[in-house]
Amino acid sequence: DVKVTQSSRYLVKRTGEKVFLECVQDMDHENMFWYRQDPGLGLRLIYFSYDVKMKEKGDIPEGYSVSREKKERFSLILESASTNQTSMYLCASSSRGLKAYEQYFGPGTRLTVT
Amino acid sequence: QKEVEQNSGPLSVPEGAIASLNCTYSDRGSQSFFWYRQYSGKSPELIMSIYSNGDKEDGRFTAQLNKASQYVSLLIRDSQPSDSATYLCAVNTPNTGNQFYFGTGTSLTVIP
Repeated sequence: DVKVTQSSRYLVKRTGEKVFLECVQDMDHENMFWYRQDPGLGLRLIYFSYDVKMKEKGDIPEGYSVSREKKERFSLILESASTNQTSMYLCASSSRGLKAYEQYFGPGTRLTVT
Repeated sequence: QKEVEQNSGPLSVPEGAIASLNCTYSDRGSQSFFWYRQYSGKSPELIMSIYSNGDKEDGRFTAQLNKASQYVSLLIRDSQPSDSATYLCAVNTPNTGNQFYFGTGTSLTVIP
């Protein structure tokens, strides 16, 4: 079974703090993704990575950065947290080729910025 | 226009009935289509993928794809209360930079 884990289920941070969200997958997947999910807006892609040290912007990269130093780990960084970044953050991974869009999700991190 | 559109629902069906969930997409170049199930407070889980026109069956689930009409549907036969969840449609659109879009989901409630 694919397992994707995220460092925290719930997180509360103050405005202006630097926030790190960690994601680890154990299936040797090449692709990893960060989404945020908000009511009425659905899942929106923030960043994705097709390989180690490689990153691509998604739909809403502003205010976020990512790091992928090892194949199994993909980190999302909020450089200076703001209240509009309060959301559910979901990490996903997938293999290459036709299976690239059969994504496996982690349990999510509910981030509250106060 | 959104890349992927779904009726938000809620859709309610009695236990044992067929639930029909629909999704339309805007880009004719879309190639791969997926249904994810998301229980309240949980993350999405892939339940079906379909890549060519026609029907694909997996247990009580059938995905139907019609590329000419640009819609994909999910049928759930013999609906159970445990099927109550939000169902997300997702589409791979290689002509766009992002390539992968989710709909906002349809909420399904199966009434015992």
